[in-house]
Amino acid sequence: GAGVSQSPRYKVAKRGQDVALRCDPISGHVSLFWYQQALGQGPEFLTYFQNEAQLDKSGLPSDRFFAERPEGSVSTLKIQRTQQEDSAVYLCASSLGTKGLNEQFFGPGTRLTVL
Amino acid sequence: AQTVTQSQPEMSVQEAETVTLSCTYDTSESDYYLFWYKQPPSRQMILVIRQEAYKQQNATENRFSVNFQKAAKSFSLKISDSQLGDAAMYFCAYRTIPDYGGATNKLIFGTGTLLAVQP
Repeated sequence: GAGVSQSPRYKVAKRGQDVALRCDPISGHVSLFWYQQALGQGPEFLTYFQNEAQLDKSGLPSDRFFAERPEGSVSTLKIQRTQQEDSAVYLCASSLGTKGLNEQFFGPGTRLTVL
Repeated sequence: AQTVTQSQPEMSVQEAETVTLSCTYDTSESDYYLFWYKQPPSRQMILVIRQEAYKQQNATENRFSVNFQKAAKSFSLKISDSQLGDAAMYFCAYRTIPDYGGATNKLIFGTGTLLAVQP
């Protein structure tokens, strides 16, 4: 079956440009997570959706970061006025439920490079 | 806040040998989940093994097993009969058990251990 997909896989942006990163979770998965993984580091949590509701955005590093999941399936992470420190791999993960030991399935990530 | 520490940035093992990757964590919670994830060069994170803190028995998945020491807040991963395909970055992760009401199931990751497998 289809896993979590992300697009684009690679994105190069000039500093100051806006970017949009897309995540297609596994069909029927209620929970969706975004993580940011800097080079040589572990992923760090950005934000969490339960269906279309954004229940936790405590990890978003600044107000330039915005995420949405309007219909409870596909999610978009938008970064406005990109800065060099935004360069990282952005990982999306989804899980079936919200309680208990629900495994998070990860996408391949989008590698963002800001020049 | 919870933290996860992996003190071995890189490890190497000979094919068919056994290797142990270390992980310690800090939390004030009494119940939680712990995970080991594998991230091959293609970057898709894959779950290797998981442990529920309230279970005393160490989890095992084929060649992978953990040594969970709750009092010491230690959660090491043992890979037996190492194979070339085991070469990857390994991340230890912690997850709280959420209260009802939409608390986040977010994962808290360590910085990873890069495992090389020598033929």
